[in-house]
Amino acid sequence: DGGITQSPKYLFRKEGQNVTLSCEQNLNHDAMYWYRQDPGQGLRLIYYSQIVNDFQKGDIAEGYSVSREKKESFPLTVTSAQKNPTAFYLCASSIRDSPYEQYFGPGTRLTVT
Amino acid sequence: AQKITQTQPGMFVQEKEAVTLDCTYDTSDPSYGLFWYKQPSSGEMIFLIYQGSYDQQNATEGRYSLNFQKARKSANLVISASQLGDSAMYFCAMRPLAGNNRKLIWGLGTSLAVNP
Repeated sequence: DGGITQSPKYLFRKEGQNVTLSCEQNLNHDAMYWYRQDPGQGLRLIYYSQIVNDFQKGDIAEGYSVSREKKESFPLTVTSAQKNPTAFYLCASSIRDSPYEQYFGPGTRLTVT
Repeated sequence: AQKITQTQPGMFVQEKEAVTLDCTYDTSDPSYGLFWYKQPSSGEMIFLIYQGSYDQQNATEGRYSLNFQKARKSANLVISASQLGDSAMYFCAMRPLAGNNRKLIWGLGTSLAVNP
């Protein structure tokens, strides 16, 4: 089955530690995205990538980093510089330049204490 | 500035009845796409329906239809024959279809509860 996988579903870290969230897709999509969702809020774009080895900052990129070395993979690192990292993180992908929908993974809930 | 407004934080509907979830938008782009997503308690965003700004007819997908009123800048989602499994958060989103900035703009969502 084609789709997007994110692992793990729940992640716990101590403050001051970097943590990397996994996102893999087998839909052959060129574009991939990382969103953050906080309670009672809509989605906010962190980073996006339209093609391998290229990515752009979204609206809230500070304290995050990404890489896009393979078409299928778009990992997100939450660094210790991110002041409020506890949130629900969603990865998505779409056909490049398509006006149509983004497909989402199941999300990772990150808790930093 | 582009903006999506969902004025209903929460809605209730009886099973088997229809419900309308409101969405208004603001944009200066001449062409844009409008989307509705469902987010159940599991967290995954599920695409429901898409409407292009130049589409002549309102989009329909099974029990979902989009009541698109371009002059009013509204794109309301209509769910017919509600089912218990429709209980979820529903998000309206928009993106321009031209230009360099094609990011999705999201509303804050509406929580729908379907009562048996």
